[in-house]
Amino acid sequence: KNQVEQSPQSLIILEGKNCTLQCNYTVSPFSNLRWYKQDTGRGPVSLTIMTFSENTKSNGRYTATLDADTKQSSLHITASQLSDSASYICVVSVATGGGNKLTFGTGTQLKVEL
Amino acid sequence: DVKVTQSSRYLVKRTGEKVFLECVQDMDHENMFWYRQDPGLGLRLIYFSYDVKMKEKGDIPEGYSVSREKKERFSLILESASTNQTSMYLCASSEVDRGSEQYFGPGTRLTVT
Repeated sequence: KNQVEQSPQSLIILEGKNCTLQCNYTVSPFSNLRWYKQDTGRGPVSLTIMTFSENTKSNGRYTATLDADTKQSSLHITASQLSDSASYICVVSVATGGGNKLTFGTGTQLKVEL
Repeated sequence: DVKVTQSSRYLVKRTGEKVFLECVQDMDHENMFWYRQDPGLGLRLIYFSYDVKMKEKGDIPEGYSVSREKKERFSLILESASTNQTSMYLCASSEVDRGSEQYFGPGTRLTVT
């Protein structure tokens, strides 16, 4: 069964600190992996996308890594800001005969405090 | 910028009512999706449409139907709302490759009493 598991479920950090969110997946065959950010009361917005051959991708203070061998990804946030408080969702795209299908993780709820 | 809009941010309906959730996208995307999002369960796909009048069931289609009469508009219909359909409903659209980025609307929080 295709699954995407994220850890931790929730996290509280102080403003200015760094943090790393984890994503483990068992989906196959792998097509790509995205990290989405979902602010409270809003829809998710894509932060990064990585394909099989990419092992790191940055978007400002967000850096995603991918280890396709161990089927793990991480999202590292540098110098956190209050506006980083959100849910971060790992989404893996599976290649099927009818086109790609997405499998969503349940998200990590991040709170950045003063 | 891609814009996906949903007709309501909050809805309260009674058990047994017929409920319509509307979604409109302005990027001429072929694909449109309806998800529900519940705590601890993540986003689950209800229905997917890859063209006008075309639809595919997602992972949890029971109790729902959809309509896509125009390319930019995708409607989710709850024929007879039940309390277990209380949830956040998210609409998304994407280009023809289903693995391409999905652009989400702001969501509709539906409460069925």
